[in-house]
Amino acid sequence: DVKVTQSSRYLVKRTGEKVFLECVQDMDHENMFWYRQDPGLGLRLIYFSYDVKMKEKGDIPEGYSVSREKKERFSLILESASTNQTSMYLCASSPSPGRVVSNQPQHFGDGTRLSIL
Amino acid sequence: AQKVTQAQTEISVVEKEDVTLDCVYETRDTTYYLFWYKQPPSGELVFLIRRNSFDEQNEISGRYSWNFQKSTSSFNFTITASQVVDSAVYFCALSFNDYKLSFGAGTTVTVRA
Repeated sequence: DVKVTQSSRYLVKRTGEKVFLECVQDMDHENMFWYRQDPGLGLRLIYFSYDVKMKEKGDIPEGYSVSREKKERFSLILESASTNQTSMYLCASSPSPGRVVSNQPQHFGDGTRLSIL
Repeated sequence: AQKVTQAQTEISVVEKEDVTLDCVYETRDTTYYLFWYKQPPSGELVFLIRRNSFDEQNEISGRYSWNFQKSTSSFNFTITASQVVDSAVYFCALSFNDYKLSFGAGTTVTVRA
């Protein structure tokens, strides 16, 4: 089975801190994604990556950056955490190579519930 | 613009009742894929089904069934004879001519014993 592992289930940080959320997948997937999930809004895409060192902005990239130095690892960075970034963060991966019509489901991690105080 | 709408925010039923979750989508693409995911209280998203835009055949898998109607841009999901373990948030999602998913807001299903 595909395994997507997020480094923390729960995280509490303070306003202004730099926060790193880590995600690792073990199936050699090309694509990796970061979403945030908020009640009533569903999942919104923050950033995605279709190859090592490649990244593209999703729908809500403001206040975030990402890093993909190795194929299996995709990090989400909150440069200066703010209270409105308190949310559930979900990482996902999928095997579709390049920009083709996607017919493979994305596989998700268990999520990180981040609280910014 | 691509958009997925799940009009039902919450549904509460008694065990053994049937539950139908509505999903309506908007897209200009002629090729696209539709998905349903389940998120139990533990938090992980579990893939349930994928359907492509050229395949309107409806599907039944155990107690789950899906009704895809391209004419009305709908991809509804029914749980037959619901069980307490079906309690979860259910997301409908749309994939366009790339590999990004666009999710609906989700429907919370509560099945009471």
